[in-house]
Amino acid sequence: AQSVTQPDIHITVSEGASLELRCNYSYGATPYLFWYVQSPGQGLQLLLKYFSGDTLVQGIKGFEAEFKRSQSSFNLRKPSVHWSDAAEYFCAVGYGDKIIFGKGTRLHILP
Amino acid sequence: GAGVSQSPSNKVTEKGKDVELRCDPISGHTALYWYRQRLGQGLEFLIYFQGNSAPDKSGLPSDRFSAERTGESVSTLTIQRTQQEDSAVYLCASSWSSGGNQETQYFGPGTRLLVL
Repeated sequence: AQSVTQPDIHITVSEGASLELRCNYSYGATPYLFWYVQSPGQGLQLLLKYFSGDTLVQGIKGFEAEFKRSQSSFNLRKPSVHWSDAAEYFCAVGYGDKIIFGKGTRLHILP
Repeated sequence: GAGVSQSPSNKVTEKGKDVELRCDPISGHTALYWYRQRLGQGLEFLIYFQGNSAPDKSGLPSDRFSAERTGESVSTLTIQRTQQEDSAVYLCASSWSSGGNQETQYFGPGTRLLVL
């Protein structure tokens, strides 16, 4: 069955530090992969998506993610976080007409 | 309108009452999704509309839940005889055409439902 695992429920990093949020998926075919961000009081916003081609995907707000088929992973990275990046981040995998979301990772930023 | 809108933004109801949640998708988007997000959980798929096709209701948790969509516009999610476990944020999303999950879903701000 298709599934998405985000092993870290909470992550805290200092402003200016680098960030990596982990995501592992289970899906038999070539996956469609997404990262969404949910800021407080806001709807979900797409950061980036992977369908095929270059395994390193660039997104908005300076985020990138790398698809590693051998590890079934699609980790999200940012070289230097800003206080405004504090939010909840959801990894998702698409199949058919649906998307399965992970349970999310809440990112806290220390000043 | 620029984005997906949902109303009400917050709803408090008593156990056993019916509630109706509304979603206005982005104009021109033929696909519309409803999700439920319980506290500390990911998004749980509820139902999917695509154009005039029969909706995919496979995610509805019980027969107390139903949804309708008028053409390619407004959708309403109805929960009958609400229970406390229905308390959650209900999110609506819309996307272009029938590209399946390749199409970016645009989310509304959600309706926060609290059942007392």
